[in-house]
Amino acid sequence: KAGVTQTPRYLIKTRGQQVTLSCSPISGHRSVSWYQQTPGQGLQFLFEYFSETQRNKGNFPGRFSGRQFSNSRSEMNVSTLELGDSALYLCASSLGAMDSPLHFGNGTRLTVT
Amino acid sequence: GENVEQHPSTLSVQEGDSAVIKCTYSDSASNYFPWYKQELGKGPQLIIDIRSNVGEKKDQRIAVTLNKTAKHFSLHITETQPEDSAVYFCAAIDTGGFKTIFGAGTRLFVKA
Repeated sequence: KAGVTQTPRYLIKTRGQQVTLSCSPISGHRSVSWYQQTPGQGLQFLFEYFSETQRNKGNFPGRFSGRQFSNSRSEMNVSTLELGDSALYLCASSLGAMDSPLHFGNGTRLTVT
Repeated sequence: GENVEQHPSTLSVQEGDSAVIKCTYSDSASNYFPWYKQELGKGPQLIIDIRSNVGEKKDQRIAVTLNKTAKHFSLHITETQPEDSAVYFCAAIDTGGFKTIFGAGTRLFVKA
């Protein structure tokens, strides 16, 4: 079974630009969660989608948004990029129950200059 | 919401020794506690998990214990090997919503 695939692996953007990251979950998984990982803040929850509906959202500004498609693939978008948005963005898929283990992709490394 | 604290932040052991990482959580209704291992350049991978109806679970050299009364759980790695060197994260479920809250991570170094 193929794992979680995130594209692209690396991105370099300039302040003020916007970026879209993509995540393809494991086949059969209907839940996709997004996390931001930075050395100082660890793994911070961004949002979670299940069957195209956002079920929960973390404490991030409205510049961070996401969506999920009918095939469970998900995208997250960050608008008006700031230097502090530089991080590893991780996507995880699961079956969607509260106690379902998360299966992570290898992340997208975003650098904002 | 759920808050997870993890200690220590860094742990260095000799090959063959045991390593213990401890976590506490705040949401008393939380009932699922996974542990993840993250190697360089990769996403975290689940290594073991425990649900609140058991107090201990083992998988070869790895074991996890849970004390629901004290709201803490621990990861025990025995007979450590250099390939165990990685960052380990504990996590707990925020029962207010569908999200997993992670501890800050423990960087484990196993010296050969």
